[in-house]
Amino acid sequence: GENVEQHPSTLSVQEGDSAVIKCTYSDSASNYFPWYKQELGKRPQLIIDIRSNVGEKKDQRIAVTLNKTAKHFSLHITETQPEDSAVYFCAVFGAGSYQLTFGKGTKLSVIP
Amino acid sequence: EAGVAQSPRYKIIEKRQSVAFWCNPISGHATLYWYQQILGQGPKLLIQFQNNGVVDDSQLPKDRFSAERLKGVDSTLKIQPAKLEDSAVYLCASSLGQLREAFFGQGTRLTVV
Repeated sequence: GENVEQHPSTLSVQEGDSAVIKCTYSDSASNYFPWYKQELGKRPQLIIDIRSNVGEKKDQRIAVTLNKTAKHFSLHITETQPEDSAVYFCAVFGAGSYQLTFGKGTKLSVIP
Repeated sequence: EAGVAQSPRYKIIEKRQSVAFWCNPISGHATLYWYQQILGQGPKLLIQFQNNGVVDDSQLPKDRFSAERLKGVDSTLKIQPAKLEDSAVYLCASSLGQLREAFFGQGTRLTVV
């Protein structure tokens, strides 16, 4: 099955700074890459996603970049705010496995 | 639009007992997932349904876990008998299709003592 590695596991940034979280995957046929945000005690919620035919997607302060050759994709959050503090999960949909596989998560703390 | 409904929210059982979780997906969503999320880890896929058929159950411990999705709508996940290591949050998610956004329910927090 798909192997998804996510780094770093924890990340602390000052309010206003940028945060970058990176994920690598193993199945070159994977074609859908969502990012989820999970606040403490709550359900994961989609914040942005990208498909394999696109290299970059942006939504206000959040962007995702995809490098299919290197099999990695990254989440970029600019001008971080305290409410961005949460656990972020990358996920990969494997075309061969038909599974939506999640990374282990990154705990982001934005320090006011 | 109503979200994914799960029940119960919390459950405490003793090891070797059985437990069942229920999920009602968003209306019209053909794909339904059950994930296990152990504290501090990412969700781990247990089983995926497309309508009422199983797409993938390769990570479901079939000696103790079972799941069904009758009529392609509601789904139940059962554990029998439970072990201590089954303590986790069980998340149900649904989507219009396999390459579409997955919407998660609030989850059932299971504690096995």
